[in-house]
Amino acid sequence: SQQGEEDPQALSIQEGENATMNCSYKTSINNLQWYRQNSGRGLVHLILIRSNEREKHSGRLRVTLDTSKKSSSLLITASRAADTASYFCATDALASGSARQLTFGSGTQLTVLP
Amino acid sequence: KAGVTQTPRYLIKTRGQQVTLSCSPISGHRSVSWYQQTPGQGLQFLFEYFSETQRNKGNFPGRFSGRQFSNSRSEMNVSTLELGDSALYLCASSLYRNMNTEAFFGQGTRLTVV
Repeated sequence: SQQGEEDPQALSIQEGENATMNCSYKTSINNLQWYRQNSGRGLVHLILIRSNEREKHSGRLRVTLDTSKKSSSLLITASRAADTASYFCATDALASGSARQLTFGSGTQLTVLP
Repeated sequence: KAGVTQTPRYLIKTRGQQVTLSCSPISGHRSVSWYQQTPGQGLQFLFEYFSETQRNKGNFPGRFSGRQFSNSRSEMNVSTLELGDSALYLCASSLYRNMNTEAFFGQGTRLTVV
């Protein structure tokens, strides 16, 4: 089952603009990870933010986490056509036995127009 | 360092057949997880292996099984294939089983059941 929802489901912007995607989840988590997927291919790991962190940066990416609201956002600044892809958040939740099990959101399809 | 390698990349099978997919994790990674991605259900967790033992299993029928070898390579098997098993199967590897380590994905195996 899906942990939560991503918003918006689809986003279309012009090259150079910023893109913001939101992710909500339902249970307590250890961390939240963001992934990119191009055209049904493999998932590319973008960034991991731990439950005790509020903000993290990596290049043009900025991720925030609000555990009180059970939500996260991914900001891509100065977007490029190559950023066109689906973006997924995945939560690594507290679970008995500490097994690794990522629960994914439904994804945001980002289209960056040249 | 080589990434996660999944073979084969594409597979076409007939209903009722069985299939075996292979995943070689990143060197040194000992945790391997499998996911199924379909347009309708999104990304769903299948199972996780660590030290040759299945540690957690998602909500899939017993036709889906897997194993991990001493070199951490993993295989998953689907028996008595159904049309609904058509999907992208993704493998992820992680360095440790504990929390807050990234999961890196392979390019996936696209299975089509006809």
